[in-house]
Amino acid sequence: QTVLTQEPSLTVSPGGTVTLTCTSNTGAVTDIDYPNWFQQKPGQPPRSLIHSTSVKHSWTPARFSGSLLGGKAALTLSGVQPEDEADYYCLVYYGGAWVFGGGTKLTVL
Amino acid sequence: EVQLVESGGTVVRPGGSLRLSCVTSGFNFDEYGMSWVRQAPGKGLEWVSSINWNGHSIGYADSVKGRFTISRDKAKTSLYLQMNHLRDEDTAFYFCVTYDFWKYAFFYWGQGTLVTVSS
Repeated sequence: QTVLTQEPSLTVSPGGTVTLTCTSNTGAVTDIDYPNWFQQKPGQPPRSLIHSTSVKHSWTPARFSGSLLGGKAALTLSGVQPEDEADYYCLVYYGGAWVFGGGTKLTVL
Repeated sequence: EVQLVESGGTVVRPGGSLRLSCVTSGFNFDEYGMSWVRQAPGKGLEWVSSINWNGHSIGYADSVKGRFTISRDKAKTSLYLQMNHLRDEDTAFYFCVTYDFWKYAFFYWGQGTLVTVSS
């Protein structure tokens, strides 16, 4: 059974840069796993940020970018804003099913 | 404006059944797949099921396979989730999500509906 691991929590200063990662226990995450990334703030439904590893939705701020780093899916925030404080989830496609990571709680401090 | 409005969540006893609905508007329902994603209170997200644009391609998480059935109605631009043999661990907010099968992309999310399984 595939398990995706994300950093449980990260802290970043306003204006800084932070990279969140998504690691699979079954091997490297690749483009054909079609990683998606989502942001969720307290009391709100998730919001889609990235699909197909690095493709942004029309509403995704430019400071968000997706990539593959060392066999992991990665979400990088450059020039972090206070409103970026939220939970972030990765989602990967494996063998006909989708698997979510456990989420990363990002604190902007 | 894209709108996804879920309904049907309530308190149900273990072993019971429930049907969730998601009424959609603001996009061409015929062109998109749809998915259900759930979130237990205070926990992470869990993919439940997806259905393609014409209903001919369907997938389920192992945790719900054989108990839940996803379906869609073109005329009503609506998505459904029939949930049978409910368990305590099915307690969660259930979100309706638009899904592009060709791009393997999740797009718009509804606000969710809460299902509580409790005796």
